[in-house]
Amino acid sequence: GENVEQHPSTLSVQEGDSAVIKCTYSDSASNYFPWYKQELGKRPQLIIDIRSNVGEKKDQRIAVTLNKTAKHFSLHITETQPEDSAVYFCAASNDYKLSFGAGTTVTVRA
Amino acid sequence: EPEVTQTPSHQVTQMGQEVILRCVPISNHLYFYWYRQILGQKVEFLVSFYNNEISEKSEIFDDQFSVERPDGSNFTLKIRSTKLEDSAMYFCASSSLTGSYEQYFGPGTRLTVT
Repeated sequence: GENVEQHPSTLSVQEGDSAVIKCTYSDSASNYFPWYKQELGKRPQLIIDIRSNVGEKKDQRIAVTLNKTAKHFSLHITETQPEDSAVYFCAASNDYKLSFGAGTTVTVRA
Repeated sequence: EPEVTQTPSHQVTQMGQEVILRCVPISNHLYFYWYRQILGQKVEFLVSFYNNEISEKSEIFDDQFSVERPDGSNFTLKIRSTKLEDSAMYFCASSSLTGSYEQYFGPGTRLTVT
């Protein structure tokens, strides 16, 4: 089955700096790669996603890149703000299920 | 904006008891999922459901688990005889098309087995 590795497990950044989270996946059949943000005790919220026919996607301060050859994808958050503090999960999908990474706890220091 | 809803928000049960977790997916969605998240760990896939049958299930989803869509709106997860290790947050999700498209998560049910 699909195995998704995510790094780093924790990330502390100064407000205004950028944050980068990286994921690798194992199943070349995976074709959909969403990122979820989860605040303490709340549901995972989809923040951005990318499909396998696209290399990069941007939405305001967040962007995701995908390298299908290397089987890795990354989340970039620019100009971080305190409200960006949360756990971020990457995931990969083979159409019927999401396989999640272990999560990155992002702390934005004011 | 439509959201997935789940009830109850918290369920406490004794080991060996049966529990039913309920979900109301977004109304025009056709694919339904259950995931679980043990405290401090990643979200794990349990089962996907489409057209009144299971599409895929994980190794976690053994004979103690079952899913059902008893009517046009609800989607339930039943655990027949709960174990301590079933304690987790259970999330329902739904999507309008096959998993290549966005899955929207409910708020979760925290299940505590004592």
